[in-house]
Amino acid sequence: EVQLVESGGGLVQPGGSLRVSCAASGFTVGFNYMSWVRQAPGKGLEWVSVIYSGGNTYYADSVKGRFTISRDTSKNTLYLQMNSLRPEDTAVYYCARDGGGWEPHYYYGMDVWGQGTTVTVSS
Amino acid sequence: EIVLTQSPGTLSLSPGERATLSCRTSQSVSSSYLAWYQHKPGQAPRLLIYGASSRATGIPDRFSGSGSGTDFTLTISRLEPEDFAVYYCQLYGSSPPWTFGQGTKVEIK
Repeated sequence: EVQLVESGGGLVQPGGSLRVSCAASGFTVGFNYMSWVRQAPGKGLEWVSVIYSGGNTYYADSVKGRFTISRDTSKNTLYLQMNSLRPEDTAVYYCARDGGGWEPHYYYGMDVWGQGTTVTVSS
Repeated sequence: EIVLTQSPGTLSLSPGERATLSCRTSQSVSSSYLAWYQHKPGQAPRLLIYGASSRATGIPDRFSGSGSGTDFTLTISRLEPEDFAVYYCQLYGSSPPWTFGQGTKVEIK
């Protein structure tokens, strides 16, 4: 079964750090684009970061310089390291298999999503 | 950065009615890069449509997508009770960032 399972969310103080994980099964993380998307309380979906199959990484301006996306191919797991956390980073964080890169000039959407992990930044 | 504007913000309809959701982009985009998602509280988002008009695996045929240029539409032909949710359009690009619209809530009238 194709599946993503996030973990690692929790309560952290402003300025603190947290790493959330996303374990994949049924497909290979390293062969796909993988994205992180978040939803703050009462807000819509916000794309956060992507790692390409080739390893290139990209970030939303709101997290650039503070968050780092990475993967461990031996564990088939995606990570998001979040540093210098702010209250506005409070959100449910979802990982998703991203259908970019499967075919030139075509996008297959984010077709597999995890259940989300909640990050709360508060003193 | 291209901005996606969804309308209306909220759509109040009854089961069995037709829902028409709009997503407008701030500049012309390739329809190959436009996707739609359904999101219910406490659940993961669900891919409905990719390439503006292709249904994702397992999506009922009451969901359809159309459009080109700057105007895209998600249509639900006959609302089922399980279709009441928030719907987002999303734009991919040749380079990030990817962008989501602000969402349209389809609620029971």
